[in-house]
Amino acid sequence: SQTIHQWPATLVQPVGSPLSLECTVEGTSNPNLYWYRQAAGRGLQLLFYSVGIGQISSEVPQNLSASRPQDRQFILSSKKLLLSDSGFYLCAWTGGSGANVLTFGAGSRLTVL
Amino acid sequence: AQSVAQPEDQVNVAEGNPLTVKCTYSVSGNPYLFWYVQYPNRGLQFLLKYITGDNLVKGSYGFEAEFNKSQTSFHLKKPSALVSDSALYFCAVRPYFSGGYNKLIFGAGTRLAVHP
Repeated sequence: SQTIHQWPATLVQPVGSPLSLECTVEGTSNPNLYWYRQAAGRGLQLLFYSVGIGQISSEVPQNLSASRPQDRQFILSSKKLLLSDSGFYLCAWTGGSGANVLTFGAGSRLTVL
Repeated sequence: AQSVAQPEDQVNVAEGNPLTVKCTYSVSGNPYLFWYVQYPNRGLQFLLKYITGDNLVKGSYGFEAEFNKSQTSFHLKKPSALVSDSALYFCAVRPYFSGGYNKLIFGAGTRLAVHP
């Protein structure tokens, strides 16, 4: 069966520090991968999606970047964090027979101080 | 602009009573529609979806949703609420012309509180 892992689960970082959140998917190949941000426990905003290794599409201009160095690995990064980067970051994947359904990871809570 | 509206910030229901969480959408074409549930500090879990066919869709944990094309609505329902149903519920829409990439548009979420 397929599983999705995100880490770290929680992170407290000072303003101006770098960021790296990692997401991996097991049990499938060539998934579509997504990064969402959820602010204040409410709606989700799509940040990036990827349909293959090295292929990244950005939905909104921001202080973040994404990379997909391997088929089942998706990384969210920043060189210098801003206060406004605080939030709950969710990785998701889709593919295979359930291609219409997004499966989410458990999330990574980032607090920038 | 394409959007999803969940008009209620919070819905309060007594245990054992029926519940409805409302969702309306504004997208072009025939969309795919979804409901997800989120428990505190967790990722979203898929509940049900409408792609085509019968307007009444049954999903996990006894939930169902009714697609109404004329009213562009996709309300989530359950005949008898449980305290354990208390969570944050998201309606989402995948516009028909999204290139197949599952770029979902999410509503702001509705917090469901079921009281004993």
